Amino acid sequence: NAGVTQTPKFRILKIGQSMTLQCTQDMNHNYMYWYRQDPGMGLKLIYYSVGAGITDKGEVPNGYNVSRSTTEDFPLRLELAAPSQTSVYFCASSYSMGQMGTGELFFGEGSRLTVL
Amino acid sequence: SQKIEQNSEALNIQEGKTATLTCNYTNYSPAYLQWYRQDPGRGPVFLILIRENEKEKRKERLKVTFDTTLKQSLFHITASQPADSATYLCAWRGTGGKLIFGQGTELSVKP
Repeated sequence: NAGVTQTPKFRILKIGQSMTLQCTQDMNHNYMYWYRQDPGMGLKLIYYSVGAGITDKGEVPNGYNVSRSTTEDFPLRLELAAPSQTSVYFCASSYSMGQMGTGELFFGEGSRLTVL
Repeated sequence: SQKIEQNSEALNIQEGKTATLTCNYTNYSPAYLQWYRQDPGRGPVFLILIRENEKEKRKERLKVTFDTTLKQSLFHITASQPADSATYLCAWRGTGGKLIFGQGTELSVKP
């Protein structure tokens, strides 16, 4: 059971370049999330999705875009990379919060991005 | 604005003692709070959930409380061990399904 898989694990970008961080989950979760974590800081929500075709902004969406064409995949797009986007990016997924469930998030291993 | 805050100062305790971490929230009333553990270089791992109608929840050496009057959740690790050293994060689910995290508290348990 792979869980949540993120690629790439590491990437160095030049200012102004674009790239896509890939995220795939095999647990049939309807909720998916992208967070960024700066050194010594907590997780900041970038975008999230409650199902295929539905996405919404989180706390820090500027400079990013997402799409959710399937239940399994939730890619994060950086269009014009800036040094401020240097961070570790985590993708996560969960079931919706049911009466008996915990709604716990399952996280990927992270993607470390450096913009120079 | 809605905020969830944890003590940003690291907590250093001796092995065998009880570690107590705090999560405070303002300007909203979450239906539940979740607690996660994060090890360096890894993604967070879910530990325990407490709902607003549960004053206290236990799971092995973990105990979580939820005080809606004080707008606070306390997370306790009893009989702490060096292996408990990690960063602990609380989180709440806002409207529309988003899950917002506090900044985390680093716990260090010394032998």
